[in-house]
Amino acid sequence: DGGITQSPKYLFRKEGQNVTLSCEQNLNHDAMYWYRQDPGQGLRLIYYSQIVNDFQKGDIAEGYSVSREKKESFPLTVTSAQKNPTAFYLCASGATGELFFGEGSRLTVL
Amino acid sequence: DAKTTQPPSMDCAEGRAANLPCNHSTISGNEYVYWYRQIHSQGPQYIIHGLKNNETNEMASLIITEDRKSSTLILPHATLRDTAVYYCIVRVAFNNQGGKLIFGQGTELSVKP
Repeated sequence: DGGITQSPKYLFRKEGQNVTLSCEQNLNHDAMYWYRQDPGQGLRLIYYSQIVNDFQKGDIAEGYSVSREKKESFPLTVTSAQKNPTAFYLCASGATGELFFGEGSRLTVL
Repeated sequence: DAKTTQPPSMDCAEGRAANLPCNHSTISGNEYVYWYRQIHSQGPQYIIHGLKNNETNEMASLIITEDRKSSTLILPHATLRDTAVYYCIVRVAFNNQGGKLIFGQGTELSVKP
């Protein structure tokens, strides 16, 4: 089936550890996005990539890093520099504005 | 980027039309209006989009005012499964390759029996 796959769905980590969230798409989309969502809040853009080997910071990029070595993959690393990493993370891909979202990864830092 | 303003919450009776408003008074001429919805703890789902003409698909209708400063999403016969947060977004075009999409707070629609 075509779509966006995020993994893991749930993740627990100790404070100070880096963690990488996976996002894979087989929709042949050039653009991919990472959003963060906190309880009762809207989505905030972390990073986006419009083409392989290129990406731009969104509104809340501090403490996060990404790579885009393949069209299908856009992993997000939550580093120890991110002050409040516990959140719901959503990956999306698309073109011309219509985005397809994954089911999300819920990260809890203990 | 054009900003959008939506009411934080709305109620609708099951079977009635749900009309969700959105203000985007700073929209530029080449920016589209997109609507998404998010059911609790799931990824958002695309609903519909438009530039200046009214649009309709199997899920909803989108009415954009002539000056394009506001729009209304209409769910013609709301069901309990339409209970969700609805986001109105103005797309910032960038080389027609998706661009930066900014989500606001959205409207939490509660459909009641």
